[in-house]
Amino acid sequence: NAGVTQTPKFQVLKTGQSMTLQCAQDMNHEYMSWYRQDPGMGLRLIHYSVGAGITDQGEVPNGYNVSRSTTEDFPLRLLSAAPSQTSVYFCASRRDPQRATEAFFGQGTRLTVV
Amino acid sequence: AQSVSQHNHHVILSEAASLELGCNYSYGGTVNLFWYVQYPGQHLQLLLKYFSGDPLVKGIKGFEAEFIKSKFSFNLRKPSVQWSDTAEYFCAVVSKAAGNKLTFGGGTRVLVKP
Repeated sequence: NAGVTQTPKFQVLKTGQSMTLQCAQDMNHEYMSWYRQDPGMGLRLIHYSVGAGITDQGEVPNGYNVSRSTTEDFPLRLLSAAPSQTSVYFCASRRDPQRATEAFFGQGTRLTVV
Repeated sequence: AQSVSQHNHHVILSEAASLELGCNYSYGGTVNLFWYVQYPGQHLQLLLKYFSGDPLVKGIKGFEAEFIKSKFSFNLRKPSVQWSDTAEYFCAVVSKAAGNKLTFGGGTRVLVKP
């Protein structure tokens, strides 16, 4: 029973490098989202998807891209990493985008940009 | 702007003390409310949720929360904390008026001293 799986757990990037954070869920959830967690600011929504082929911006989308080609996968791409993107990133999924169901979270990716 | 506010950033308690964490939101209309907990080094886990019905909600590990609609509040309580309750606690809201996105407060770090 894997739930939401994120890889990698840790990553160090140099400024200007690109990378993709992977997220996969095996619960057939329609709704998936990416958050970043910074001290004192809680979790802020970066991008979300209400189903395969549909994505939208959250509160802090700049510098990030997403795509949703399958129900299971929702990768987050950093095109040109900046030190301001140093954070802990969480992927989450929910069963139904139209109703408030429980969100399940991945283990997180701690990203450092130097 | 619609938001979720947690009043305390840090709380330090001794074991067996009572805990109350405040949460207020500014969304209108129907809301669904959650408290999540993040133990050190771990991902977020659901403590309890309110969708409808009895405004006093009981969750796991002896936690409860009370929804007071007139005060736009959803405060978390535990009568007697244990050292293992040391964690960060997040209040979160889903509002249909805000597109059913899960929005978090800034979090409260709770340290329970043995």
